[in-house]
Formats: sequence, structure tokens, C-alpha cells
Amino acid sequence: QQQVKQSPQSLIVQKGGISIINCAYENTAFDYFPWYQQFPGKGPALLIAINPDVSEKKEGRFTISFNKSAKQFSLHIMDSQPGDSATYFCAASRSNQAGTALIFGKGTTLSVSS
Amino acid sequence: GAGVSQSPSNKVTEKGKDVELRCDPISGHTALYWYRQSLGQGLEFLIYFQGNSAPDKSGLPSDRFSAERTGGSVSTLTIQRTQQEDSAVYLCASSLAGRPGGRDTQYFGPGTRLTVL
Repeated sequence: QQQVKQSPQSLIVQKGGISIINCAYENTAFDYFPWYQQFPGKGPALLIAINPDVSEKKEGRFTISFNKSAKQFSLHIMDSQPGDSATYFCAASRSNQAGTALIFGKGTTLSVSS
Repeated sequence: GAGVSQSPSNKVTEKGKDVELRCDPISGHTALYWYRQSLGQGLEFLIYFQGNSAPDKSGLPSDRFSAERTGGSVSTLTIQRTQQEDSAVYLCASSLAGRPGGRDTQYFGPGTRLTVL
């Protein structure tokens, strides 16, 4: 049973466009939702994270939108740049104890064409 | 400071052999995680160490997989009698795990690419 479903699997966006990646979760106990960015040959790195207390969080060109009732959250990359080309993973965890392991989606490979 | 380091970066082995993968977490981080990244499958949680507590082994796929963490720092993931389906990138991450609610950033190493022939 896949607890975090991510779509699309791959995405091609023109430079300057908006990239949108969607995730859905099943476990209502999840209360921490980070997004990780991974470049080829590197480990994933935290990009931005949100908790269910807010519906949106923005950091620079990156925005997470969160819909608690629908159990969905999405990453929006505004003014997408070729340097944003990477694989993006959404994740979720239960934060009722320290160091909880993350449940990851299967990833979205983003290509931004110049 | 230095990030999470893993060795070797690449490992090619024959089916049936045992392999050991090493992870050096960021100094001072009490939590350490192992994940497996297979092509098209995302990151799969394997095992989690937190301080001196018993590790969470719930993600280990079979009893051929084991891990230990010595002195609360370096960790070794061991795969016995490797199979071709074990081929993947094995990622290690560490976090401070000091904040209540478990919302510490996990810092990942570059991974070890394991190929089982």
C-alpha cells in the first residue's frame, strides 16, 4: 500500500513557466510534509516543508499548497529555470516522536527547457 | 562543516556475496536513517537509529539485511547473500532529532550505488 502518491512521474516545462507537482496521502496521522530536491549523483536535499496548520507556504519561487480535507499537497515552482531541472520527492511523516522516518513519493523528474 | 559521507560510492558484487556499506553522519546528529532508492521507485525506508534506543528495523526487506551503529556515530549496512534485486542506490541520512515533533531536516549523503551481477 503506497502511502504517498506523487504525480506526474515526469514533467517538461518551458523556462519561465510554472511547474506543478502533486501528492496525495492516506494516513491522517501524517502532520509533516517536506519536499526534497535531488540532482543526479547527489543525495536529496530539503527544499521546503509545511505542516497542516497552514494552507500555503512560500519560499522564493517555491510554494507548497496544502489541502487537509482532500489529503493533498502540491509544489509550485514559479518562473522555472533550467537549474531547477532535478527530481523532486514529496514526503510525509508522523511527528509525534523525534526522528520519525519519512515516507516518500516515487518522485517527479522535472526538465526545464531553455 | 562536513556533510554526511558514504563509502564506497560504487560497489559491484556477484550474486551470493556479502557487502558492507558505510555511513558517516554529521557530527552531533543523533538520528541516522538508511533508505534504498531503486529506479522509478522513489526512496524506501530501511532502518532508523535514534541515540541509544533500539533501532526501528521495520523497513528491512528481508533477514539478509542488517545494520549497526557503533558509538552512536558511524553506521554499517550489511547485505548478506546479495541478489540481483538488491541492486539500487543506498542512501544514508542524519538529523539532529532534538526538536519535539520530529521535524528535523534530514541531511542525505550521496549514496552508494550497488550493482549485483
